[in-house]
Amino acid sequence: DAKTTQPPSMDCAEGRAANLPCNHSTISGNEYVYWYRQIHSQGPQYIIHGLKNNETNEMASLIITEDRKSSTLILPHATLRDTAVYYCIARNYGGSQGNLIFGKGTKLSVKP
Amino acid sequence: NAGVTQTPKFQVLKTGQSMTLQCAQDMNHEYMSWYRQDPGMGLRLIHYSVGAGITDQGEVPNGYNVSRSTTEDFPLRLLSAAPSQTSVYFCASSSLNTIYFGEGSWLTVV
Repeated sequence: DAKTTQPPSMDCAEGRAANLPCNHSTISGNEYVYWYRQIHSQGPQYIIHGLKNNETNEMASLIITEDRKSSTLILPHATLRDTAVYYCIARNYGGSQGNLIFGKGTKLSVKP
Repeated sequence: NAGVTQTPKFQVLKTGQSMTLQCAQDMNHEYMSWYRQDPGMGLRLIHYSVGAGITDQGEVPNGYNVSRSTTEDFPLRLLSAAPSQTSVYFCASSSLNTIYFGEGSWLTVV
């Protein structure tokens, strides 16, 4: 699975959009980009995933560049409960039967 | 975290003791795995299983054993606990595109 690079920390004002970047310059053609978050040492929570098209669900939007070397997770209206560590992971869809390689992620702090 | 149950939530062990962390899922997933997370670090894969009767090692398997006699259960055994195994342990089960994690088990070895 390709290595990903994320900033260690970010701040965001409550109610504003939080844009979390991720670089995955060595991603291969069959690797998806997944985002998980971990709130205060709870189990990681799935957010969204995508291959090359932009994706949106009830939690967030995922924007993937055309060359697929980077992506951005967007939380459109951040709340205090979105304060968490966010992990960007590249993996084969169904590949390795679910193994995830976690980096250190981005610690997002949403401030009032 | 839907459907993945871990027990116990907290445990203190003495060096050399053995114990088993239990993990059960009710989603009929074939794939299950165990991760550990040390302070300030991401999760690291210990062992995983692609179905009943099949297990394999992950990134940090030493000191841990697993078995998978049923689809639902995937226990993690520490045969002789060491202080280096003090960590938070997460069990996970996976559908094709999403991995679900348990709430974690906090283990301290003194």
